[in-house]
Amino acid sequence: EAGVTQFPSHSVIEKGQTVTLRCDPISGHDNLYWYRRVMGKEIKFLLHFVKESKQDESGMPNNRFLAERTGGTYSTLKVQPAELEDSGVYFCASSQGEAAQETQYFGPGTRLLVL
Amino acid sequence: AQSVSQHNHHVILSEAASLELGCNYSYGGTVNLFWYVQYPGQHLQLLLKYFSGDPLVKGIKGFEAEFIKSKFSFNLRKPSVQWSDTAEYFCAVNAGRSPGTYKYIFGTGTRLKVLA
Repeated sequence: EAGVTQFPSHSVIEKGQTVTLRCDPISGHDNLYWYRRVMGKEIKFLLHFVKESKQDESGMPNNRFLAERTGGTYSTLKVQPAELEDSGVYFCASSQGEAAQETQYFGPGTRLLVL
Repeated sequence: AQSVSQHNHHVILSEAASLELGCNYSYGGTVNLFWYVQYPGQHLQLLLKYFSGDPLVKGIKGFEAEFIKSKFSFNLRKPSVQWSDTAEYFCAVNAGRSPGTYKYIFGTGTRLKVLA
């Protein structure tokens, strides 16, 4: 079974540019999560999809971030325009079922550097 | 607000030494607790989790953790570490019973280096 995949693995952009990150969850997983780790800090929750619906977007930093999950399969996270403080590792995770005890399976992350 | 504390940011041990990594959380209600590990160059993977039952949980690769409700703690242990345990370890909590609470709250992580 394929795991969670993320693209690209690395992205270097200049301040003010736009970047789109993609996540493909494990097939059949209705829950999809985005997290971010800024260097030296903890991994922080951004948002949670159940199928194509945003269940919880309490962690989204501001309106420069837009997440979508059309059709309830893969998800994209767009940052527009990017700022220096957006640099970090963006993780995607997915889980099956309707219980909080379900394990979240993480992708390898996208390392974003905004110059 | 919920928070998770991992007091040891960096730990260096020799092979065969015993390991205990601390994790404390702040939340008064029912919680689910997780330990994840990230080996160099790899993605986060689950070591073990606790949500009910026996508070002593056994995970993969010889790891175990004990949930002590009165201390709000979920410390990770391994009796004898190996060089291959060199990794970063993350404690995570969710207060989940309803879908809006599935998100993980992570600690800052502990980098473990095991010397051969």
